[in-house]
Amino acid sequence: DAKTTQPTSMDCAEGRAANLPCNHSTISGNEYVYWYRQIHSQGPQYIIHGLKNNETNEMASLIITEDRKSSTLILPHATLRDTAVYYCIALPTGNQFYFGTGTSLTVIP
Amino acid sequence: DTEVTQTPKHLVMGMTNKKSLKCEQHMGHRAMYWYKQKAKKPPELMFVYSYEKLSINESVPSRFSPECPNSSLLNLHLHALQPEDSALYLCASSQNRGIAKNIQYFGAGTRLSVL
Repeated sequence: DAKTTQPTSMDCAEGRAANLPCNHSTISGNEYVYWYRQIHSQGPQYIIHGLKNNETNEMASLIITEDRKSSTLILPHATLRDTAVYYCIALPTGNQFYFGTGTSLTVIP
Repeated sequence: DTEVTQTPKHLVMGMTNKKSLKCEQHMGHRAMYWYKQKAKKPPELMFVYSYEKLSINESVPSRFSPECPNSSLLNLHLHALQPEDSALYLCASSQNRGIAKNIQYFGAGTRLSVL
């Protein structure tokens, strides 16, 4: 599984877009990128995943660079409820994943 | 229904007690997971069940004993725990193949305190 690197923490103003980067420079062709988040005292929540095309769902957008060495999770209009730890994971289909330390996002009023 | 239900929400137990954590899902998922999470740390995988059979045990001490009695239920039996076992215990489930295997649905967890 590709090693991922994320900033330890980030702040974002409420109502602005939150852009969370993830580096996965050793990713191989069959490895997907998954994003989860964990709001304090809750279980982790799946957000989105992608292989090489950009993806969007009701929660977020995922932008993967053309060389696939990095990706960005975008929360288009951050709210206070988006304050959470965000985990980026890269691995082949079907492999068991393991959480890294993630990025602690704080949305500021 | 995308809910994974864990009971109890909170549990306090002594080191000589025997207790069980319960997890239930009705999404038809055939993979179920136990994670342990200490404060300010990411969740750590403990066990994986695939089609009701134990497929991964991450070298968890034998005082933790998992059980999957049917495809909807997952239990974690606890016996002779230590204070350092105090943590949030999370259950998750997923489909058992392909991309969906990595889309896990988590319960809210059981917060365990061992005295």
